[in-house]
Amino acid sequence: GAGVSQSPSNKVTEKGKDVELRCDPISGHTALYWYRQSLGQGLEFLIYFQGNSAPDKSGLPSDRFSAERTGGSVSTLTIQRTQQEDSAVYLCASSLAGTGGWNEQFFGPGTRLTVL
Amino acid sequence: AQSVTQPDIHITVSEGASLELRCNYSYGATPYLFWYVQSPGQGLQLLLKYFSGDTLVQGIKGFEAEFKRSQSSFNLRKPSVHWSDAAEYFCAVGGNAGNNRKLIWGLGTSLAVNP
Repeated sequence: GAGVSQSPSNKVTEKGKDVELRCDPISGHTALYWYRQSLGQGLEFLIYFQGNSAPDKSGLPSDRFSAERTGGSVSTLTIQRTQQEDSAVYLCASSLAGTGGWNEQFFGPGTRLTVL
Repeated sequence: AQSVTQPDIHITVSEGASLELRCNYSYGATPYLFWYVQSPGQGLQLLLKYFSGDTLVQGIKGFEAEFKRSQSSFNLRKPSVHWSDAAEYFCAVGGNAGNNRKLIWGLGTSLAVNP
């Protein structure tokens, strides 16, 4: 079956513009995670969704960052008024529900964001 | 606070040589531990994981890792490296707060393989 998909694969934007990054999880996966991978910082957790709700937004770096998930499926990460330090690869992962034991997180290919 | 340290930023080995990548973690309870690999142009792929039980875990591609609670370590090993193993390797610890299974990552170790 299809894996996690993300779009666009690459995004170049000018400082101050807003961007939207999309994630399509594996069908049936109720848990969805956004991570950011940047040079010198490694991989950082941003936000976790269970269904359409986000119980943990603790990793969002500022109020310029927001995310939503609709229909328990597609998620959109929005960055407003982008800054150069937002340049990174944004990774999405999905898994079956986190209740009980651990379910493997499957990662998408990422969106490379470059802010000029 | 949870954290993961990978002391080696970059390692170079010869093809056929053995490999050990180090990982140390800080976590208040029994951790869920993971190794992921990221090859150029590829997404992150799970190599292996430790939850409980046998402290030596086997993964894909001939990799294994050993959990040592006394040393807070979860080092990745492979007896004989292949050129195709050249990639970035990440150690991660999994949170278990409620249903949240977010991953906390090390900075990664870049592996180069000489022919």
